Amino acid sequence: DAGVIQSPRHEVTEMGQEVTLRCKPISGHDYLFWYRQTMMRGLELLIYFNNNVPIDDSGMPEDRFSAKMPNASFSTLKIQPSEPRDSAVYFCASSNGGELSNQPQHFGDGTRLSIL
Amino acid sequence: SQQGEEDPQALSIQEGENATMNCSYKTSINNLQWYRQNSGRGLVHLILIRSNEREKHSGRLRVTLDTSKKSSSLLITASRAADTASYFCATETGGGADGLTFGKGTHLIIQP
Repeated sequence: DAGVIQSPRHEVTEMGQEVTLRCKPISGHDYLFWYRQTMMRGLELLIYFNNNVPIDDSGMPEDRFSAKMPNASFSTLKIQPSEPRDSAVYFCASSNGGELSNQPQHFGDGTRLSIL
Repeated sequence: SQQGEEDPQALSIQEGENATMNCSYKTSINNLQWYRQNSGRGLVHLILIRSNEREKHSGRLRVTLDTSKKSSSLLITASRAADTASYFCATETGGGADGLTFGKGTHLIIQP
């Protein structure tokens, strides 16, 4: 079975440009999570969705960050305008929550973002 | 903010030895999970232990949880070179599916 698919794997762009990261969760999973990983701050939860609805976006660092989930099989994380401090690895993860708790999350391989 | 803090930050052992990593956390949890991350890859779920469990096994992995001390340990027995990776503990505090709060990880190196 296909796991969580993220694209692009690498993105290098100049400061001020718009960046869009994409994620396809595992089919049938109803939770989708966006995390960011940096050396200084480790792994941080940015936002998560349940059944395509944003549940908690308290981890989104600034208004420059936005995330959408237009349907059950696709989500985007957008940064506009981008800044060098946004450079990080961004991970998408999904889980099969439903009425169940205590479910593991399945991670994609991440997008390594470099803002010059 | 970091909920889990792993100890040690780095660990280097010989192949065949056992590796023990510890994790401490600050608030009440629903469950605690351990993940592995190989260089340049995403995180892979290893094992989940619920707050009402004290010990869990999966293959060469053994996880303990002490909620009174707010701590957990991950033991990898008979280590192999392929176990070289970073290991993270993560806590889930919500009653249902929730975002995870990760520690900064233990980098494990298994020397052949």
